[in-house]
Amino acid sequence: NAGVTQTPKFRILKIGQSMTLQCTQDMNHNYMYWYRQDPGMGLKLIYYSVGAGITDKGEVPNGYNVSRSTTEDFPLRLELAAPSQTSVYFCASSYQAGGTDTQYFGPGTRLTVL
Amino acid sequence: DAKTTQPPSMDCAEGRAANLPCNHSTISGNEYVYWYRQIHSQGPQYIIHGLKNNETNEMASLIITEDRKSSTLILPHATLRDTAVYYCIVRVPFKRGNQFYFGTGTSLTVIP
Repeated sequence: NAGVTQTPKFRILKIGQSMTLQCTQDMNHNYMYWYRQDPGMGLKLIYYSVGAGITDKGEVPNGYNVSRSTTEDFPLRLELAAPSQTSVYFCASSYQAGGTDTQYFGPGTRLTVL
Repeated sequence: DAKTTQPPSMDCAEGRAANLPCNHSTISGNEYVYWYRQIHSQGPQYIIHGLKNNETNEMASLIITEDRKSSTLILPHATLRDTAVYYCIVRVPFKRGNQFYFGTGTSLTVIP
């Protein structure tokens, strides 16, 4: 299993540009998440999905959009990039059963908006 | 509002036990405590979780106080590879699924 994969690893955007961060998991997990991590800070939840076709906002959803058409993929879309979106983005997935909800994280995408 | 409070940094001698504290004084009865660690800027790695009882696995032990307002992660024999940022997290049930609230973490340095 590759686990959770993310592309690209690095990206530089100009203000106002758009891009999609890709996330794929091969563990057949029903839940998927997008987080951002600003320097020296913990992770903050942007959006999450409990299954194909279902998405919900997290703590910091403004400026982002998501879709979940398959179990495996959960892309994050940035429209009109702003310098405040400079961050490291992590995708995660989990399988919820009873009280267990262990999230497995991808390697991250480092985004700079200039 | 921060749901967890951790010291920003700690040192530990190699081979000794590392005890990492966390305060989560506003935790509710159905909210779990999770611990993850992040090495360099890699994706966070799961360590352990618990609700009320103390837990142990091959990586660490988790001690939760009876009132559940604080917990301690114990790495029994720290190695240089345990140098990382350790996050204490409260898992909160949400509309659908759960939200993980990360604190700012403790940077643990294991010293030879």
